[in-house]
Amino acid sequence: DSGVTQTPKHLITATGQRVTLRCSPRSGDLSVYWYQQSLDQGLQFLIQYYNGEERAKGNILERFSAQQFPDLHSELNLSSLELGDSALYFCASSVGPSNEAFFGQGTRLTVV
Amino acid sequence: GQQLNQSPQSMFIQEGEDVSMNCTSSSIFNTWLWYKQDPGEGPVLLIALYKAGELTSNGRLTAQFGITRKDSFLNISASIPSDVGIYFCAGQLPGNFGNEKLTFGTGTRLTIIP
Repeated sequence: DSGVTQTPKHLITATGQRVTLRCSPRSGDLSVYWYQQSLDQGLQFLIQYYNGEERAKGNILERFSAQQFPDLHSELNLSSLELGDSALYFCASSVGPSNEAFFGQGTRLTVV
Repeated sequence: GQQLNQSPQSMFIQEGEDVSMNCTSSSIFNTWLWYKQDPGEGPVLLIALYKAGELTSNGRLTAQFGITRKDSFLNISASIPSDVGIYFCAGQLPGNFGNEKLTFGTGTRLTIIP
């Protein structure tokens, strides 16, 4: 158990809908990362927060947004969902913005 | 942006064999990390490397941070069935604001042939 908690574990929704994925980092970690992993693909970096502020941005679609709250948990919001958004979404956390990251179990999103 | 080339893409070996995989980058990295991912699970950190030339072991796993800072290697000795999975390298650029994100390699899928 990495100490990073993601909910829900599975999510099935229809095209055009909006969902929110939640991540609780390890105790003491200030940095949160979001990654997308499509079937049999690598991990694509979406966005990173550090202590509540956006730190780095990857190839995140405009339909996607994220935030990190004062209690350091983070949410990833995906809207106007398309079939191609079906993927595993991982959250990772680290102590600082440049320390090794520990991953949660992921949320499997299926858009039908 | 920077890319990480990981090879081989897949390996089919017999139990007990040693395994070697590597990762190369077009950019210099400050940190190299190696992760293992089982199907449907999150990546699990195996080894972290912070200095050029550093050689670090974790049980049967040994990883090295290349001298040029553009590559890293992972070796697994005497493979066992639980080694099956996908191995990812990840690199982190020198710590400028906004550059600390981890860039992942494409993965090496390890299969053990009975």
